[in-house]
Amino acid sequence: AQKITQTQPGMFVQEKEAVTLDCTYDTSDPSYGLFWYKQPSSGEMIFLIYQGSYDQQNATEGRYSLNFQKARKSANLVISASQLGDSAMYFCAMGPDTGNQFYFGTGTSLTVIP
Amino acid sequence: AAGVIQSPRHLIKEKRETATLKCYPIPRHDTVYWYQQGPGQDPQFLISFYEKMQSDKGSIPDRFSAQQFSDYHSELNMSSLELGDSALYFCASSKYGGNGYNEQFFGPGTRLTVL
Repeated sequence: AQKITQTQPGMFVQEKEAVTLDCTYDTSDPSYGLFWYKQPSSGEMIFLIYQGSYDQQNATEGRYSLNFQKARKSANLVISASQLGDSAMYFCAMGPDTGNQFYFGTGTSLTVIP
Repeated sequence: AAGVIQSPRHLIKEKRETATLKCYPIPRHDTVYWYQQGPGQDPQFLISFYEKMQSDKGSIPDRFSAQQFSDYHSELNMSSLELGDSALYFCASSKYGGNGYNEQFFGPGTRLTVL
């Protein structure tokens, strides 16, 4: 069975600082993808970054980077130079490379403090 | 770029009524997914379709049904609505096998309130 765990229900970070949001997962699939989504208060789900299980390098997308440690089954999201607009819920999700459903963690609420 | 379109954005229904939610995937995407996100909860997978055939089924109640049409849009039909059905319903779409992974693009969601 697939399972995603986000142990930080809420996080605070000072503007312009970096923050790490934790995500661990459990799966028996040999191939899978790990995703991070941002959900602001307006409700939409915004794709941030993806890491494939066979990717050798950690994914980066602008200020977002994914610290992927396969042996530890963790896929932490690092946001650098936090901005006020980064305040939102962040969900870690996992899906097989061949499609079908995503499994979501319970989310982390990030608040950026001016 | 075109995104996933969901309609309506907001819907208010009474208990025991029916509701139909519509989803229009990104052009050339062949797979559609439905998720339900209750207040303060993470999204829960309901059902997915690939090329108009059901491809996976999650925690979808028997009172709900869904289908994907020839133009790839999808509809989620909900009958005998209960208070607990109040949630944000997301549709997501993807292109099977595209880019070597199956990134799902989410629509803005339909917020259903059952009174």
